[in-house]
Amino acid sequence: KNQVEQSPQSLIILEGKNCTLQCNYTMSPFSNLRWYKQDTGRGPVSLTIMTFSENTKSNGRYTATLDADTKQSSLHITASQLSDSASYICVVSLYFDQTGANNLFFGTGTRLTVIP
Amino acid sequence: DSGVTQTPKHLITATGQRVTLRCSPRSGDLSVYWYQQSLDQGLQFLIQYYNGEERAKGNILERFSAQQFPDLHSELNLSSLELGDSALYFCASSVEPSSVGQYFGPGTRLTVT
Repeated sequence: KNQVEQSPQSLIILEGKNCTLQCNYTMSPFSNLRWYKQDTGRGPVSLTIMTFSENTKSNGRYTATLDADTKQSSLHITASQLSDSASYICVVSLYFDQTGANNLFFGTGTRLTVIP
Repeated sequence: DSGVTQTPKHLITATGQRVTLRCSPRSGDLSVYWYQQSLDQGLQFLIQYYNGEERAKGNILERFSAQQFPDLHSELNLSSLELGDSALYFCASSVEPSSVGQYFGPGTRLTVT
């Protein structure tokens, strides 16, 4: 079972509308949680990064929230644009000494399509 | 542009062959990570190097190996290639070994025929 699960798997919205993507994780505590945007065939680009103690982080029209009690993070996109069409990936990083090995856990992503 | 470079961009080869993918990290970054992304799949962490030493290992097959050189560039070697190895291979780099502030390269698309 993946320790980082994202929903929905895919989403289609009209240009100009808002949307919210979800990320549920099992690990606690952790070093940081990041949201990446990945255009098809391109490398992921970091949108936001939050430490375990932060609740929200904004980057332009992107706002990420973190609820440590429910182990959920959300990425809210406002006033969507056609260029927002991409996959959005949630990544949880553990403190290195928690695992001594692989400390990165990736969600499988939400595929967002913005249509005119 | 993340500052991470990967070569080649595309690679087509036959089953059973061996290939080498190359990654140059951002200037000043000491840590390099390799990921595999198969079609419509999530990113799979393969291996991490920090300042020339292996730091962490993920789901890397025994047929795959990597190294980081003194100039900090890294190479991922894939041998005895199978059809299922066809994927995008991404390299990422960060200053620290903890993966905070990780920047991804543009990827190498490997097609095994």
